[in-house]
Amino acid sequence: GAGVSQSPSNKVTEKGKDVELRCDPISGHTALYWYRQRLGQGLEFLIYFQGNSAPDKSGLPSDRFSAERTGESVSTLTIQRTQQEDSAVYLCASSHTWQGGAGELFFGEGSRLTVL
Amino acid sequence: QKEVEQDPGPLSVPEGAIVSLNCTYSNSAFQYFMWYRQYSRKGPELLMYTYSSGNKEDGRFTAQVDKSSKYISLFIRDSQPSDSATYLCAMKRTGGYQKVTFGTGTKLQVIP
Repeated sequence: GAGVSQSPSNKVTEKGKDVELRCDPISGHTALYWYRQRLGQGLEFLIYFQGNSAPDKSGLPSDRFSAERTGESVSTLTIQRTQQEDSAVYLCASSHTWQGGAGELFFGEGSRLTVL
Repeated sequence: QKEVEQDPGPLSVPEGAIVSLNCTYSNSAFQYFMWYRQYSRKGPELLMYTYSSGNKEDGRFTAQVDKSSKYISLFIRDSQPSDSATYLCAMKRTGGYQKVTFGTGTKLQVIP
C-alpha cells in the first residue's frame, strides 16, 4: 500500500520567503507528526496532530512556524520569513493511535529545505 | 543535558563483524525503547522495539535494555554492507499519547 508521501522533495528558497511543505499520511492513520532533522543531528519534534487538532505544538521553534491538518488527511507545515538556520530535512510521520504500545511511526522521505 | 545521548560515529566495520550501538538516557519514565534505521536520503523505519528491561532478538539483530543503568544497546551479528545506514535510538513513556524522543543517530558503514 501507499506510504507517507511528502512534497516537495527538495526546496531551495531565498531568505525571507515563505515556504509550504506538504504531507499525505497513510490512509487510516489518525496521528501525524512533523520532525526536523538538521545535518548531523537527530530528529527534533515539531508538532503532533490527532485528527485535525494539535494537542502538542511544543516543538515549534518560533511563531514563524505553523501547521494545519485537514481532517485525518493532508497536513501542511508553513515556515514564514525563512532564515538560513531553517535549512534542514523536514520529516512527516503517521501512526495508528494506540492506547499503549510502542506506536510505530511511519516516515515519509522528507522535504529537504535549503535557505540561501 | 539531552534526554537521550547517542554517539554519532561514524562507525566503520568490516563485513561479518559484530556491531554494538548504544544510547544512554536520563528520563527514568521511559518504558518503550526503539531502534530506527535510516538509509541515506530516506525516512527512518522501525527496526525493533523493547518494552521495559530485557533482551529481544530478531534475526541478526538483538536489542538490550538495562534500565538500572539507563543504557540501551543494539547488536548486529554478521554485519552486511546492506546494514550501512544511520541507526537512531528512540524512547517514549507509556500511556496514551507520548512524544517519541530520538537520539542523534549513529552512522554505520560496513565495508565489503
